[in-house]
Amino acid sequence: ETGVTQSPTHLIKTRGQQVTLRCSSQSGHNTVSWYQQALGQGPQFIFQYYREEENGRGNFPPRFSGLQFPNYSSELNVNALELDDSALYLCATKSDLANYGYTFGSGTRLTVV
Amino acid sequence: DAKTTQPTSMDCAEGRAANLPCNHSTISGNEYVYWYRQIHSQGPQYIIHGLKNNETNEMASLIITEDRKSSTLILPHATLRDTAVYYCIVIIQGAQKLVFGQGTRLTINP
Repeated sequence: ETGVTQSPTHLIKTRGQQVTLRCSSQSGHNTVSWYQQALGQGPQFIFQYYREEENGRGNFPPRFSGLQFPNYSSELNVNALELDDSALYLCATKSDLANYGYTFGSGTRLTVV
Repeated sequence: DAKTTQPTSMDCAEGRAANLPCNHSTISGNEYVYWYRQIHSQGPQYIIHGLKNNETNEMASLIITEDRKSSTLILPHATLRDTAVYYCIVIIQGAQKLVFGQGTRLTINP
C-alpha cells in the first residue's frame, strides 16, 4: 500500500476508442506524473502536473492528455487508441517537501485489441 | 535516453549481500543518483538517493565513487522479496521526469 491508488487495475479497449485512467494520492502531493511502461521496458515519462497545471511533457502525441484536480486526484486520457498503446500506465506523486523521491501506484494494465 | 548503464541481470543467494553496480560517467555536478526497484506487477518503489556522500537507510546503502562516475547499491542481507528490477537514475533535484533505463533484473535464490 503506497498511498497512491490507480483505477481500474486492468482494462481492455478496442482500437480507436478513448480511455480515462484515474489516480488518487495523498494530501499535499501537489506533483503528479504519468508514465507508460511497455512489456519488458522501463517506464517512459508522459507528462507531469503541478497544482493543476501541466509543467512537463515527454515525447507523446497530443492524444495523450491529462487533468489534475484540487483533491489530489488526476486523470490520464488517451484518444484514438492504437494497438501500441497497450502498456502498464503508472501514476507517480510527490509532495513539495518530499526528499525521498516519487511514490508510484501499482498501475493500470491497458490492452488495446 | 537514460544516462546510466547497468548489467541486465544478476543473481544473489538469499542472506548474502547484493551489490548492484551502475555507471553514470556523464553525470553533472548537480545531478543526484536515485535508485528505484520494481517488483513484478507493482509500480517502482523509491529505495535511496545521494549526491556524493555514501548514504544508508533501512532498505539499502548507496556507495558513490569519489569521481561520481559510478555507484553501487547494496542490499546487505538479501531476501526472496528483494527479487525485482532495480533502476539507477541520475536526475537534477526537483526535475520533472525520471528517465528509466532497462535496469538490472536481480534474482535472489534460496
